[in-house]
Amino acid sequence: ILNVEQSPQSLHVQEGDSTNFTCSFPSSNFYALHWYRWETAKSPEALFVMTLNGDEKKKGRISATLNTKEGYSYLYIKGSQPEDSATYLCALGSGNTGKLIFGQGTTLQVKP
Amino acid sequence: ETGVTQSPTHLIKTRGQQVTLRCSSQSGHNTVSWYQQALGQGPQFIFQYYREEENGRGNFPPRFSGLQFPNYSSELNVNALELDDSALYLCASSLGGGIRTDTQYFGPGTRLTVL
Repeated sequence: ILNVEQSPQSLHVQEGDSTNFTCSFPSSNFYALHWYRWETAKSPEALFVMTLNGDEKKKGRISATLNTKEGYSYLYIKGSQPEDSATYLCALGSGNTGKLIFGQGTTLQVKP
Repeated sequence: ETGVTQSPTHLIKTRGQQVTLRCSSQSGHNTVSWYQQALGQGPQFIFQYYREEENGRGNFPPRFSGLQFPNYSSELNVNALELDDSALYLCASSLGGGIRTDTQYFGPGTRLTVL
């Protein structure tokens, strides 16, 4: 059974702080890692799909790295803003259906 | 381009009843996946439909069933509701019949409460 772990579970930072969180997954049979941002009462929003060891992706102030050999991905937010407050989910793309196996998420709260 | 929509937003049912949740896929997407998110957990895969056929199933009992229509909209049906079925139900559409690298685009979910 594939298990995806995210840490920390929650995070409170001040506006302007940079922050990062971790997604850990089994390194064998890796295919793809997905990151989503999920604001309260909205749909989860796709951020990145990462497939290659050493991949780095960037979208504005948010970036992510991938290490498939050791089984982790980091998500970084530079200069956090209140609008970055959300739950960040990572998920493995798995199986013949491409089903997503999600971690429990990291909930970020950015205080003005 | 219209995003993924779900209806209803909220639903309250009693134990033993049946419920149907609906999902309208993003335009041009032929694949829909359904997920259940219980409190404090990440979303769990229920099943996937590709071109009107079930394309894979997670660890959910047969009382969870689905349909996909020719326009690629979809339904999730749950029979004999149990208290543990209380959760947020998400659908996600994609183009590609279940490729692991495909982005899945999610709807806002239906909150089901079973009393």
